[in-house]
Amino acid sequence: EADIYQTPRYLVIGTGKKITLECSQTMGHDKMYWYQQDPGMELHLIHYSYGVNSTEKGDLSSESTVSRIRTEHFPLTLESARPSHTSQYLCASSERTGGEKLFFGSGTQLSVL
Amino acid sequence: QKEVEQDPGPLSVPEGAIVSLNCTYSNSAFQYFMWYRQYSRKGPELLMYTYSSGNKEDGRFTAQVDKSSKYISLFIRDSQPSDSATYLCAMSAVGNTGKLIFGQGTTLQVKP
Repeated sequence: EADIYQTPRYLVIGTGKKITLECSQTMGHDKMYWYQQDPGMELHLIHYSYGVNSTEKGDLSSESTVSRIRTEHFPLTLESARPSHTSQYLCASSERTGGEKLFFGSGTQLSVL
Repeated sequence: QKEVEQDPGPLSVPEGAIVSLNCTYSNSAFQYFMWYRQYSRKGPELLMYTYSSGNKEDGRFTAQVDKSSKYISLFIRDSQPSDSATYLCAMSAVGNTGKLIFGQGTTLQVKP
């Protein structure tokens, strides 16, 4: 069983608030990712990191930012939340080799009012 | 046009049936093919992983990849109510580690 944790599981927040979604993994994986998933739609990659101090934007444009100052921790931040940010955010990690095998957390369901 | 096409269903079958789930894709550079299972309010869980063409079997699950037709399949034998979930196909090209392209997912319901 994958050991990757996301908090909070659910977040309802007002427009304009700053939020941080937490993601931690205990598997020592070098690579970490953030995917966004809307109901009935595909998962889309918004950020990824191949190691400490390495972050890149994914294929789907996002106003969020990420940081990777520790191997096990990959938080996602929205400086000013808007209703268009309402979605499910999924964090994942993978090994340096065989990196196509992603292990996902349970996700954070974000609702911005 | 989407790079990966997957019928969203829903698909409803009786317990014990053989289930066939499929995806088509357009990018010939894809070499890694995966099936994930996602239960409601959970993250996706890797079910099957295949590199390039061929078949792979794991218990009641069989994954097939036909690169010439750009078509992948997941078969579930003796389906159980616990198999009720959304099944996502995903794929990536060499060098695009972790940057998976997902299908929309097919929702499966197995009725007792």
